Amino acid sequence: DVKVTQSSRYLVKRTGEKVFLECVQDMDHENMFWYRQDPGLGLRLIYFSYDVKMKEKGDIPEGYSVSREKKERFSLILESASTNQTSMYLCASSARDGYNSPLHFGNGTRLTVT
Amino acid sequence: AQSVTQPDIHITVSEGASLELRCNYSYGATPYLFWYVQSPGQGLQLLLKYFSGDTLVQGIKGFEAEFKRSQSSFNLRKPSVHWSDAAEYFCAVVPSGAGSYQLTFGKGTKLSVIP
Repeated sequence: DVKVTQSSRYLVKRTGEKVFLECVQDMDHENMFWYRQDPGLGLRLIYFSYDVKMKEKGDIPEGYSVSREKKERFSLILESASTNQTSMYLCASSARDGYNSPLHFGNGTRLTVT
Repeated sequence: AQSVTQPDIHITVSEGASLELRCNYSYGATPYLFWYVQSPGQGLQLLLKYFSGDTLVQGIKGFEAEFKRSQSSFNLRKPSVHWSDAAEYFCAVVPSGAGSYQLTFGKGTKLSVIP
């Protein structure tokens, strides 16, 4: 089974802190994604990566950056956390063959910024 | 504009009753269609997908979905709901021929099951 592991289940950070959310997948998938999930808004794509060191902006990249130095790891970075970034963050991965490869999700990191 | 709509925010059904969750899309051409489920405290799991061919697709956990081109719909159904089906369900679409990074999710329908 594909496993996507997010390092923290819950995080509480203060406004202005630099925050790192880590995600690791064990299926040698080329594509990795970071989504944000908010009640009533569904999932919104923040960033995705289709290869090591490659990244593309999603629908809501403002206030976030990402890093992919190794194929299995995709990090989401909040350079200066703000209260409006309080949310559930979901990491996902998929193989390269586009739409035919389903997304495999981690269990999420619930981030609270106070 | 391209969009996917789940008209029902919250649905409550009794255990053993049938279920239908609605999904409508607005795309120029028929997109690829997916249903995902998110159990409490979990990530999303793929239930089923439709690319082409038979308009009735079978998925995991006893779910099925029917693609209706004339109605731009892809509704999810289950004949008899179990208490473990309580979860949030997301319809998702991607333009035909596009990559998975272009997946757009609906806002979700939360399903509650009464014992």
